[in-house]
Amino acid sequence: DGGITQSPKYLFRKEGQNVTLSCEQNLNHDAMYWYRQDPGQGLRLIYYSQIVNDFQKGDIAEGYSVSREKKESFPLTVTSAQKNPTAFYLCASSIQGQGAGSPLHFGNGTRLTVT
Amino acid sequence: QQQVKQSPQSLIVQKGGISIINCAYENTAFDYFPWYQQFPGKGPALLIAIRPDVSEKKEGRFTISFNKSAKQFSLHIMDSQPGDSATYFCAASVDSSYKLIFGSGTRLLVRP
Repeated sequence: DGGITQSPKYLFRKEGQNVTLSCEQNLNHDAMYWYRQDPGQGLRLIYYSQIVNDFQKGDIAEGYSVSREKKESFPLTVTSAQKNPTAFYLCASSIQGQGAGSPLHFGNGTRLTVT
Repeated sequence: QQQVKQSPQSLIVQKGGISIINCAYENTAFDYFPWYQQFPGKGPALLIAIRPDVSEKKEGRFTISFNKSAKQFSLHIMDSQPGDSATYFCAASVDSSYKLIFGSGTRLLVRP
């Protein structure tokens, strides 16, 4: 079955440590995205990548970094500069720019807790 | 201008009833309006979507109503079932854009 795999499902880190969240897709999609979900705030775009070796900042990129060295993989690093990193992180992909013919496909998320 | 305002925040409906979730937007350039459904511990999944050239789209028990002049759209779930209990997000974008703007979500509980 094609889909998006996010690992791990739960992640715990101490404040001041960088942490990398994994996202792998086997849908052969060009575009990949990272969203952050907080209670009552919907989904907010952190970074997105239209194609390999290219990525753009979303609305809340401060304190995060990404890489896109392979089409299948789009890891997200939450750095110590992110002031409030505890959240549910969702990775998604789409064939191209998402729209009527190219909806977002989401993974099942990673819940990060930083103490 | 980039916001999508969603209401209510939570909704409780009896089995067999109609669930209605409303969204409003300001940016008149938006031309793609999807709804996503999210079950606990899972990622959202596309439920239904509409373009502004139609006023209504129906897929099974789910209907989107779209009012272009009022810049509002809504999701109606007919004959609501306990299995529909989930969080629903409306969203909007310029079609084929890489930036989808999500509403804040509505947690729906359908009582048996």
